[in-house]
Amino acid sequence: NAGVTQTPKFRVLKTGQSMTLLCAQDMNHEYMYWYRQDPGMGLRLIHYSVGEGTTAKGEVPDGYNVSRLKKQNFLLGLESAAPSQTSVYFCASSYWEGRGAEAFFGQGTRLTVV
Amino acid sequence: GESVGLHLPTLSVQEGDNSIINCAYSNSASDYFIWYKQESGKGPQFIIDIRSNMDKRQGQRVTVLLNKTVKHLSLQIAATQPGDSAVYFCAEVAGNNRKLIWGLGTSLAVNP
Repeated sequence: NAGVTQTPKFRVLKTGQSMTLLCAQDMNHEYMYWYRQDPGMGLRLIHYSVGEGTTAKGEVPDGYNVSRLKKQNFLLGLESAAPSQTSVYFCASSYWEGRGAEAFFGQGTRLTVV
Repeated sequence: GESVGLHLPTLSVQEGDNSIINCAYSNSASDYFIWYKQESGKGPQFIIDIRSNMDKRQGQRVTVLLNKTVKHLSLQIAATQPGDSAVYFCAEVAGNNRKLIWGLGTSLAVNP
């Protein structure tokens, strides 16, 4: 049971480049999330999804887009990377209500934008 | 530009001592609370949760206490071990969308 898998684990981008981060979960979870974590700070929610085909904005959505075409996958896109997007990105998934709300996290993607 | 991050609160304890990590939550409507542990270079990992109809819940070596009157949550770790060194986050859940609201975290350092 792999849990939540993120790819890639590390990436360096030049300003203005685009990329897609992939998150895959094999737990049949309905909810999936993308967070960013900056040094000395907690996690901030970028976007989330409550089910296949749905997405919603979190607290810091600007500069990012997401898609949930399949239940097990949640993609995070950066159309034009900026140095302010240098961060560690975590994907998570969870059940909701009645099955526990604890989220399972991937190992993170460390992104540097130069 | 260079971002300026906040410095995490740090708790330093001796191996074998008990640790208490505190968290103040923001929303009086929150009805579910979770503690996560994040080791260096890894994603957060679920430790224990508690619903608002309880004031205490125990797990293996960990206890969570909830005081709804002052909106305070604490995580107690018994007989702290070097492997407990990590950043600990509390999170609250409220509202119809049931999103997690994260605290800033506390860094726990265990001295041998």
